Amino acid sequence: AQRVTQPEKLLSVFKGAPVELKCNYSYSGSPELFWYVQYSRQRLQLLLRHISRESIKGFTADLNKGETSFHLKKPFAQEEDSAMYYCALSLTTDSWGKLQFGAGTQVVVTP
Amino acid sequence: GAVVSQHPSWVICKSGTSVKIECRSLDFQATTMFWYRQFPKQSLMLMATSNEGSKATYEQGVEKDKFLINHASLTLSTLTVTSAHPEDSSFYICSARDSFRWNTDTQYFGPGTRLTVL
Repeated sequence: AQRVTQPEKLLSVFKGAPVELKCNYSYSGSPELFWYVQYSRQRLQLLLRHISRESIKGFTADLNKGETSFHLKKPFAQEEDSAMYYCALSLTTDSWGKLQFGAGTQVVVTP
Repeated sequence: GAVVSQHPSWVICKSGTSVKIECRSLDFQATTMFWYRQFPKQSLMLMATSNEGSKATYEQGVEKDKFLINHASLTLSTLTVTSAHPEDSSFYICSARDSFRWNTDTQYFGPGTRLTVL
C-alpha cells in the first residue's frame, strides 16, 4: 500500500534561515505529489504540486523518483511561513484523485 | 473563488443521537467530494469519496452504516454520523473537486466541523 512519511513533527527555524521539510513516499507506480499548508485557524489549502514545477511563496519542491522523495524547501524563511505543512500523494490510477496525507510537519519561524 | 463551506462549524450531541454535517461548494460544481477525519495532532484520514448521484465509496475500516453520505446535488454533500458515541468525537473535514477542472487534482477544503459526543 502507498504511504507518505514526514519524519519531522516540528521544525523550528530562525527568520531568514533556510527551511527544508522532508517527505518520502512509498508507491510502486508514478504518484502525483502535493504540499498542502494550514495556517493557524485557517483551512487546508494547496501550496504546490509537483506537476506544476512552480515556486509558490518562495517554496519549491522537486520530485525525486530515485529517492522517492518530495522535499519542500525555502531559502529564507519568513515569520508568516509558520504553519502546519502536509505532504500528500494521489495515485495516477485513481480517477477520483483521492489524497493520502503524511502526518504533517509544524513549522515555527522565530524572529 | 473555489470556496467550500461546512455547517455546522461545531456541534455537541448526546451519545446515541445522530448528527448531520453539510459540505457545500459555493461557487463551483463538485461531482466529487471527499470526507476526512482528523484526530488531535494527527493527519487527515480519508473516510469516503462522495459522488453526486451515486453511492459513496468508503475506505477500508470505515463503517458505511455508521457514517452515511449523501451527495444529492453538485454543490452539496452531507455526512450523517448515526448513533454517535464518544469515540466518534473528532474533526471532520470535507473537500471538493471542481467538476469543470477535471484535469487538475486540486481539492478545495472546507473549514472543518468539530464534533463532540458526550
